Amino acid sequence: QVQLQESGPGLVKPSETLSLTCTVSGGSISTYYWSWIRQPPGKGLEWIGDIYYSGSTNYNPSLKSRVTISEDTSKNQFSLKLSSVSVADTAVYYCAAIVATDDAFDIWGQGTMVTVSS
Amino acid sequence: EIVMTQSPATLSFSPGERATLSCRASQSVNSNLAWYQQKPGQAPRLLIYGASTRATGIPARFSGSGSGTEFTLTISSLQSEDFAVYYCQHFNNWPPRYTFGQGTKLEI
Repeated sequence: QVQLQESGPGLVKPSETLSLTCTVSGGSISTYYWSWIRQPPGKGLEWIGDIYYSGSTNYNPSLKSRVTISEDTSKNQFSLKLSSVSVADTAVYYCAAIVATDDAFDIWGQGTMVTVSS
Repeated sequence: EIVMTQSPATLSFSPGERATLSCRASQSVNSNLAWYQQKPGQAPRLLIYGASTRATGIPARFSGSGSGTEFTLTISSLQSEDFAVYYCQHFNNWPPRYTFGQGTKLEI
């Protein structure tokens, strides 16, 4: 079955760009919907954006100006770049997928903690 | 923008009891509503989608109901492993956006 694994730096400096990668196994990235979701410590879940159908993207309007989601089909990976980060971007970042439902995330990565600090 | 509201923030129950969690949408979302369970240090797990369809492997004690603006997640007989935080989530077709409620913590 489809499995997801996040990777990337756990510490990013303010004003720099946060970069994370999600590696997909058990399924092709050219199929399904692939999202990034984050959760600040002790808080709720926030959808960042998604990529699907070989490169189409949607972004949360509140983050759209700073977010880029892309894919590398040769590696079966998709990536997140969040620019101009601040302390408010400190969170656990999850990659998630919609595989067997129409609009609910049925596959999740384990999450990776990213701290923004100088 | 559709806002999903879960209340109260915390609910207290004893094992074996029936628990009912609520999620309200600021405008009709038809049946486009999902529920997730999250335990400390873990990723969320999908429980219910389409308002009432159990995800693969989810025990029958979990059920979802509702449509329009009012939705309910019911756990018929609480087990110790059910004490966690529960989130509802909606997908808006246009502009495409997924929105989560703020969560309800189910505590013993």
